[in-house]
Amino acid sequence: NAGVMQNPRHLVRRRGQEARLRCSPMKGHSHVYWYRQLPEEGLKFMVYLQKENIIDESGMPKERFSAEFPKEGPSILRIQQVVRGDSAAYFCASTPGVSGIPYEQYFGPGTRLTVT
Amino acid sequence: AQSVTQPDIHITVSEGASLELRCNYSYGATPYLFWYVQSPGQGLQLLLKYFSGDTLVQGIKGFEAEFKRSQSSFNLRKPSVHWSDAAEYFCAGMDSSYKLIFGSGTRLLVRP
Repeated sequence: NAGVMQNPRHLVRRRGQEARLRCSPMKGHSHVYWYRQLPEEGLKFMVYLQKENIIDESGMPKERFSAEFPKEGPSILRIQQVVRGDSAAYFCASTPGVSGIPYEQYFGPGTRLTVT
Repeated sequence: AQSVTQPDIHITVSEGASLELRCNYSYGATPYLFWYVQSPGQGLQLLLKYFSGDTLVQGIKGFEAEFKRSQSSFNLRKPSVHWSDAAEYFCAGMDSSYKLIFGSGTRLLVRP
């Protein structure tokens, strides 16, 4: 059973470009979380999605960031017009996501975004 | 607001010595608590979790943690540290919408 997959593992973008980060959850998991880890810091929640629905986006910056989890295919975290401060590791986690039940979250290896 | 605090930024122990990493939480109801480990350049691996029941939780790699409501703590312990345990350790709590709130992490260094 494959774990959570993220690609690319490393991404370099120039300021002003767009970054697209992909996350494929574990088989059978329908809920995805995105977290950001700035250098020398812990992980901070960004967004919580289930297929075709955003459940909680309270951690997303108001501008330039968006996320989706379509019916088919991976979840995408999109950052438009990247700035140096977006340089970080972005982690995706997945759970089976049955409503009302807490589950441990299984993390992917992360995408390390560098903005030059 | 819910929060998780790891008071120690760095901890250094000798190989074979015992280890305790501190974690304090601030939650109103019964918390769901986790410990994760992150090796350099890697993702997070779950070591153990506490949802309810027995307050002493056993995890992988010989780790255990004890939930103490009176002290609002969930400290991670290991009786004998191996060099391969050198990594960053994160304590996390799950809030009412099931997202994780992480502490700032404790970096463990192991002396030979």
